[in-house]
Formats: sequence, structure tokens, C-alpha cells
Amino acid sequence: DAKTTQPPSMDCAEGRAANLPCNHSTISGNEYVYWYRQIHSQGPQYIIHGLKNNETNEMASLIITEDRKSSTLILPHATLRDTAVYYCIVRVVGGTSYGKLTFGQGTILTVHP
Amino acid sequence: DAGVTQSPTHLIKTRGQQVTLRCSPKSGHDTVSWYQQALGQGPQFIFQYYEEEERQRGNFPDRFSGHQFPNYSSELNVNALLLGDSALYLCASSLGDRAADTQYFGPGTRLTVL
Repeated sequence: DAKTTQPPSMDCAEGRAANLPCNHSTISGNEYVYWYRQIHSQGPQYIIHGLKNNETNEMASLIITEDRKSSTLILPHATLRDTAVYYCIVRVVGGTSYGKLTFGQGTILTVHP
Repeated sequence: DAGVTQSPTHLIKTRGQQVTLRCSPKSGHDTVSWYQQALGQGPQFIFQYYEEEERQRGNFPDRFSGHQFPNYSSELNVNALLLGDSALYLCASSLGDRAADTQYFGPGTRLTVL
């Protein structure tokens, strides 16, 4: 799986949009971008994933650049409960892959009142 | 719809002992993956079980073993515990053994080795 690079930490004001970047310049054509978050000492929570089109669900939006070398996770109206470590993971889907997730260090997002 | 459950929540063992951790997958899921998360680090993949067989394994010694039962639940066994085995152990479930489905995680079991 391709490697990802994320900033170690970011801050965001409550009610504002949080934009979390991820670089995955070596991504292959059959690799998806997945985002998980982990609130302190809990299990990682799935947020969203995408291949090349922008995706949106009830939690967040995922914007993937046209060359697919980077992406941005957007939390449109951050709340204090969104304070967590956010992991960007590139993962092969389909074929003979058994689907393990390779986690990096992630980005610690702190939402301030 | 029950999510992924793990037991116990916390566990304290001493060096050299053996431990068994348990996981029940999300309803409808048939594949279980196990991860180890040391303090301050991201989760590291241990292995994945599908159809009661280990399908893929990460870089962990043979002291780490597992089992999957016909009802898709799974156990992680660790023998000859070391201090370095202290970690949060996470179970994730998905549908099918290929990478085509999203993995959903349980709350984890916190293992402390003294």
C-alpha cells in the first residue's frame, strides 16, 4: 500500500470547518483513500473513503485531487467531540489483497471552544 | 444492529503468562482482523481470519495466534507475555476476505503486562 503523509497536529475553532490534508503521491490506480478517526483510547471509527471522485456522507466530505496524489478531509462544522486523531490510509481494494489497514501517525485535531 | 464487541475491556497479566482476547464481529460480517496499538502509535496489523483460517499476517512472532469459530467470532492468544506486549488490542470486522469492504472496529481490550 502507498505511504501517506499527514501533519502531526492541527487546531480548529468550534463551528468552523476543519480541513485535514493528506499526501499520497505514490498512490496506485487500484488504491482507495480511507479516513478513520480515533477518540482517546477508543477503537478507530470509519469516516469515509473514495477512489477519485469527491465523496460526502453525514460525517464529512472527502476531496481528492485530480492526479490523486493528495486529498483533504473536511468536517464542515467542527464540534468539541471531533477532537481526535485522524488517520488517512491508502488501501488496495479488490484483487488478491486481504485488506489490511496500514496506519501511520495520523493528525491530532484539537477543536477549541 | 450490534457493532463489534470485545472482551474483556481491561486485563492485567504478568510476564510469561498467556492471555486470550475475544471478539464478536458486527452483525452480517464474516471476517475478523486484529491490530495492536502501543501507546502513542497507530494500530499495527496482526492477522486476519476468514472461513476459520488465517488469511494474512503482519510482522508479529508466533507467540501471537488466533482462531475463528463457525459463528465468525474470534480469539487472539498471546503466549509468554513480554512487557512490550502491553497495548490496546483492537478487533475489526468486515464482509469477505478481500479488501472490498470497510473494516469496523471494536472498542478494544487494554492489556497491561507487569
